[in-house]
Amino acid sequence: AQSVTQLDSQVPVFEEAPVELRCNYSSSVSVYLFWYVQYPNQGLQLLLKYLSGSTLVESINGFEAEFNKSQTSFHLRKPSVHISDTAEYFCAVSAIQGAQKLVFGQGTRLTINP
Amino acid sequence: GAGVSQSPSNKVTEKGKDVELRCDPISGHTALYWYRQSLGQGLEFLIYFQGNSAPDKSGLPSDRFSAERTGGSVSTLTIQRTQQEDSAVYLCASSLVGGSPLHFGNGTRLTVT
Repeated sequence: AQSVTQLDSQVPVFEEAPVELRCNYSSSVSVYLFWYVQYPNQGLQLLLKYLSGSTLVESINGFEAEFNKSQTSFHLRKPSVHISDTAEYFCAVSAIQGAQKLVFGQGTRLTINP
Repeated sequence: GAGVSQSPSNKVTEKGKDVELRCDPISGHTALYWYRQSLGQGLEFLIYFQGNSAPDKSGLPSDRFSAERTGGSVSTLTIQRTQQEDSAVYLCASSLVGGSPLHFGNGTRLTVT
């Protein structure tokens, strides 16, 4: 079984400041890793994913996440945030083999202050 | 349609009544998932379909909850004898195959009074 821990339930930052949303996972098998974003009053959208290859993955809107197998982490970062990044961010894992349901963390609410 | 469609978008029901929630996945997606999103609870897995069969229904909270999928497409989640703790947003997602990224619908907000 897999589990995901998002260490911060809320993260307030000022506009143009850097941000890191932390995610740690636990799994006895190899996993795929994902970050999903939920903007206010909208559905969940895939932000980025790690399936294999380079451990650093990027999204089109400037976010990046690095898979660290030894620390079982997949932290999400952005060097300079914008008001429009205000949303809830969910880290998720799925086993590479077997019943591949997505297991989510509790979510981190990112609030950008002007 | 282009995305996952869920209906109704909002449902208010009285405690003890049965409700049915519907999900239309993206055409061609073989995998379909139901999740529940409650305040402070994050996203809770309910059930996963591959085609019409459900290899993982481990997240259904009680025998009041059931789900089916027909024709490898539409799925319905049924909650019998609803309780106030069933109030939540019920999310459906589909993917091309199990393990590929999920596409979520906008959810059904269920309120049990």
